[in-house]
Amino acid sequence: SAVISQKPSRDICQRGTSLTIQCQVDSQVTMMFWYRQQPGQSLTLIATANQGSEATYESGFVIDKFPISRPNLTFSTLTVSNMSPEDSSIYLCSVKFGTGVTYEQYFGPGTRLTVT
Amino acid sequence: AQKVTQAQTEISVVEKEDVTLDCVYETRDTTYYLFWYKQPPSGELVFLIRRNSFDEQNEISGRYSWNFQKSTSSFNFTITASQVVDSAVYFCALSDNDYKLSFGAGTTVTVRA
Repeated sequence: SAVISQKPSRDICQRGTSLTIQCQVDSQVTMMFWYRQQPGQSLTLIATANQGSEATYESGFVIDKFPISRPNLTFSTLTVSNMSPEDSSIYLCSVKFGTGVTYEQYFGPGTRLTVT
Repeated sequence: AQKVTQAQTEISVVEKEDVTLDCVYETRDTTYYLFWYKQPPSGELVFLIRRNSFDEQNEISGRYSWNFQKSTSSFNFTITASQVVDSAVYFCALSDNDYKLSFGAGTTVTVRA
């Protein structure tokens, strides 16, 4: 496993503004992901953060709204742009370790975002 | 397309009772991975177990046990002798070789003292 940290842990933002969330892992990982958990709901994958290239977005999520960077194998950022109250959620980064019988996937502690 | 169904929305038990959480999945892939995560009230997602599609051996870890049956596409989770600290939302999830997790809706477990 690894230690995964996220900043900020929570924030309250005004509509129309943007927030950048950071995810730091204490070891190099091949794959990083960003998930969203809306209040009382399950988790939904936003995108796969690709090192050195553009992120791969899932249906319903676009780069203009959720730009992602991944400058190296231990760090990624997710920006929530032009926020509205509907963006109030917990945002979690996730990292993959190993393959096959050694495959594991862990989550950061999450960033709890409230948009007013 | 992948799909994970957790039909039980909420389960409430008294301490020391056993509780079983159901998880049924759908996938066209022959290689896939099944997970269980725990989300306590604090909000973090705690990894409990990962099972590969080619390994149907059941597993026990302390008070936790998992029953994987490919014939019924199920991966059920049992907590034996439940404790108050087991109160949480439990998620079942599925991924294939792209490692993207599809989550079930979650089951809220409340253990009363």
